[in-house]
Amino acid sequence: TQLLEQSPQFLSIQEGENLTVYCNSSSVFSSLQWYRQEPGEGPVLLVTVVTGGEVKKLKRLTFQFGDARKDSSLHITAAQPGDTGLYLCAGARQGGKLIFGQGTELSVKP
Amino acid sequence: GAVVSQHPSRVICKSGTSVKIECRSLDFQATTMFWYRQFPKQSLMLMATSNEGSKATYEQGVEKDKFLINHASLTLSTLTVTSAHPEDSSFYICSARGPAGYTFGSGTRLTVV
Repeated sequence: TQLLEQSPQFLSIQEGENLTVYCNSSSVFSSLQWYRQEPGEGPVLLVTVVTGGEVKKLKRLTFQFGDARKDSSLHITAAQPGDTGLYLCAGARQGGKLIFGQGTELSVKP
Repeated sequence: GAVVSQHPSRVICKSGTSVKIECRSLDFQATTMFWYRQFPKQSLMLMATSNEGSKATYEQGVEKDKFLINHASLTLSTLTVTSAHPEDSSFYICSARGPAGYTFGSGTRLTVV
């Protein structure tokens, strides 16, 4: 059983389109993090959401944390080929372990 | 910012040999480091938590005798894949928890032939 359910797992869109990635759990998290990973590299932190209902923006990326702190979403506006990559949500569990969702492989075609 | 250095970035070894991967926190001390394994097109799976000065704690299903972890100092954790087999081929990533949160190494691509 996956603690963090991430969807969709694969997404292929055209440049200029919008998209949303979801990260859901039955557990409450004190915070959730979103990462982006390029092939052959470690994940790079995009944002941490802490407060239920919180919305954070990073240029064309908008991150939301659910009111109950069990889910989060990442919305990308006007996607560009440079947004291509693996997007991962993660939450900290007991002992500080960071657990990842399944990941969303995003491909943006020019 | 916090930097974690992982070495080597790529390694090819023969079946039956052992491989050591190093993870160093360069500008902060990390009492806890984490080791992940990642297969192509998949997410990171936590293998074990490395604790400075004490034994590592392993996730269910991870063989502690095969994946030896040593965290001898506040800036260095090592993962040794013992008696490697082709099915151990994967991308291994370490992470250290510091003042800035979790920082990841750049990963090690292990290929066992």
